[in-house]
Amino acid sequence: NAGVTQTPKFQVLKTGQSMTLQCAQDMNHNSMYWYRQDPGMGLRLIYYSASEGTTDKGEVPNGYNVSRLNKREFSLRLESAAPSQTSVYFCASKRVRGDYNEQFFGPGTRLTVL
Amino acid sequence: KQEVTQIPAALSVPEGENLVLNCSFTDSAIYNLQWFRQDPGKGLTSLLLIQSSQREQTSGRLNASLDKSSGRSTLYIAASQPGDSATYLCAVKLNRDDKIIFGKGTRLHILP
Repeated sequence: NAGVTQTPKFQVLKTGQSMTLQCAQDMNHNSMYWYRQDPGMGLRLIYYSASEGTTDKGEVPNGYNVSRLNKREFSLRLESAAPSQTSVYFCASKRVRGDYNEQFFGPGTRLTVL
Repeated sequence: KQEVTQIPAALSVPEGENLVLNCSFTDSAIYNLQWFRQDPGKGLTSLLLIQSSQREQTSGRLNASLDKSSGRSTLYIAASQPGDSATYLCAVKLNRDDKIIFGKGTRLHILP
């Protein structure tokens, strides 16, 4: 299994440009998540999807949209990038075994908005 | 609102020492607590997960404990090695929804 994969690994955008961050997992997990990680702020949840076809806002959803294309893929879109969105973005999925659930993370996408 | 705090923010210890990393949370109604390791420029790797009904979990030189009533968890690393140098993050899953709240992490440096 490849686990959770993210593309691209690095991206530089100009203010106002748009882009989509891709995430896929091959573990057949229902729940998927998008986080951003900023120095001194820790990891903050942007959006999550508890199952295919559903999405919900997290702590910092403004400026982002998401699509749960199918069970495997969960994409994050920046329609009009702003310098405040410079961050490292992590995608994660959750494994559930009865009462036991655990998150697995992708390697991250480092985004710079100029 | 659940808040997760990790103190200290950074820690340097000589190789071979045993050490404890601390995590505290404000709302004891958690579903589980997870410790992660993050190497510079990398993603997060899950180390240990403790269910709310458990008191501790062990994996190799790592031992994580959970005291829900006091809102605390500790990660104990025995016989530290330079390869243990990384940032360690604590995260709690809330009972009622699918969200996980992360602490800001402790940056650990093991001195050779």
